[in-house]
Amino acid sequence: EAQVTQNPRYLITVTGKKLTVTCSQNMNHEYMSWYRQDPGLGLRQIYYSMNVEVTDKGDVPEGYKVSRKEKRNFPLILESPSPNQTSLYFCASSLWAGPEQYFGPGTRLTVT
Amino acid sequence: AQSVTQLDSHVSVSEGTPVLLRCNYSSSYSPSLFWYVQHPNKGLQLLLKYTSAATLVKGINGFEAEFKKSETSFHLTKPSAHMSDAAEYFCVVTPPTGGGNKLTFGTGTQLKVEL
Repeated sequence: EAQVTQNPRYLITVTGKKLTVTCSQNMNHEYMSWYRQDPGLGLRQIYYSMNVEVTDKGDVPEGYKVSRKEKRNFPLILESPSPNQTSLYFCASSLWAGPEQYFGPGTRLTVT
Repeated sequence: AQSVTQLDSHVSVSEGTPVLLRCNYSSSYSPSLFWYVQHPNKGLQLLLKYTSAATLVKGINGFEAEFKKSETSFHLTKPSAHMSDAAEYFCVVTPPTGGGNKLTFGTGTQLKVEL
C-alpha cells in the first residue's frame, strides 16, 4: 500500500529536549516536505527536499532542521524545542513533476 | 508570488442542501489549484485538482469546483450535503506542473453538516 508514515503520532516533551519526528514514504517520490498546522493559519511549509541531500527552507524554518540521506526518509529535528513549536505536523511527498502531494497522518507535538 | 483566500472560516449547512465553499486566488502565472479535505484527527486527502485542462473539475464524493480566471476563483460545491462531509477543507495554489512543488494553503473552511 502506497503511504507516508510518521512517528510518533503524539509527543509531549519539555522545553529544550531534542526530538526527532520521522517520516518515511514507499512511493519512490523525489520530493518531500514538512508542514505545521495551526488553528486559523492553515498549513505552512517548514522545509522541503527535492531529492537526496537537497533540502531548502520553506516559509517557517526557524527552530527546525531536516536531513535527507535516503530517498524514502525525511526526518524533522527540533534541537531545542520551545512552546511556540506546539503544533500538528504533517509530512508529505510527491513526484517531482507533480504537485499533488500525499500526506502522512500527522504528529501532534506539545512542548511544555 | 501566489496566495489563496478562503472567504469563510466556518460554513454550516443542513443535510441534503447544497454546499458552497469559496476560494479566491492570486497568482502571477497560470496556477494549478487543489482542494484538500481533512476529517477530524486524520491527514489531508486530495479532493480534486485543476491543472489547466477543463475548467469544471469533478472530484471524489460528489464534489466539484469551477476555475474562473476572470473572477480568480475556484469555489467548491456539492449539490447535496451528507453528514460524512463534515470536515475542514483547504484550497491550495501551486505553480503549474514543472514549476516546482511550492504549495500555498488557504486558512481552511470548517464545514458543519446538521440534521
